[in-house]
Amino acid sequence: QSALTQPPSASGSPGQSVTISCTGTSSDVGGYNYVSWYQHHPGKAPKLMISEVSKRPSGVPDRFSGSKSGNTASLTVSGLQAEDEADYYCSSYTGSNNFVFGTGTKVTVL
Amino acid sequence: QVQLVQSGAEVKKPGASVKVSCKASGYTLTSYHMHWVRQAPGQGLEWMGIINPSGGSASYAQKFQGRVTMTRDTSTSTVYMELSSLRSEDTAVYYCARSPNWGYDYWGQGTLVTVSS
Repeated sequence: QSALTQPPSASGSPGQSVTISCTGTSSDVGGYNYVSWYQHHPGKAPKLMISEVSKRPSGVPDRFSGSKSGNTASLTVSGLQAEDEADYYCSSYTGSNNFVFGTGTKVTVL
Repeated sequence: QVQLVQSGAEVKKPGASVKVSCKASGYTLTSYHMHWVRQAPGQGLEWMGIINPSGGSASYAQKFQGRVTMTRDTSTSTVYMELSSLRSEDTAVYYCARSPNWGYDYWGQGTLVTVSS
């Protein structure tokens, strides 16, 4: 199972929006509505930001939103803040009790 | 509150095995699946496998088939991940992560495993 494809980096100024893509195949992203997104600050444990494509867990700001079209899922961070600077990973179910992560995107707040 | 507390850092020689523990508290271990994820230095997150603590069944990523074993001890609310035939490429931080549905909502603090001769 190959990793899902994410852009290596994305950036935006405070207050702007940034969208991160996560491209897979019909066997993973396109085949299931089980895509989740994680924020990872170096040295800390990853944090769940979005589950099941677009569900935001309690405590996650509504500036974070998720969507999916075909084999590509997206995470949008609106109203960028300095603390949003981190690595972001998508993950998808691939069937038969298997999962896969994306390659990761480093978000920089300019 | 929910906590996943992992065992401490390990240094192993190539060819050896390592067993990392993840002790759950604040909820019933058997209620949710547990996943293991690792991150090698400078690399991304990598899914290793999943265990159902209720029945003990596990499923592993193809890459680790034959080298990884995930088990649990319900009496101590602890899950374990054992990786054998270690090589330098296995040097990584290993995480356990709880999955109540289709996302990992709580993570352990991570365990650094260093493989070096």
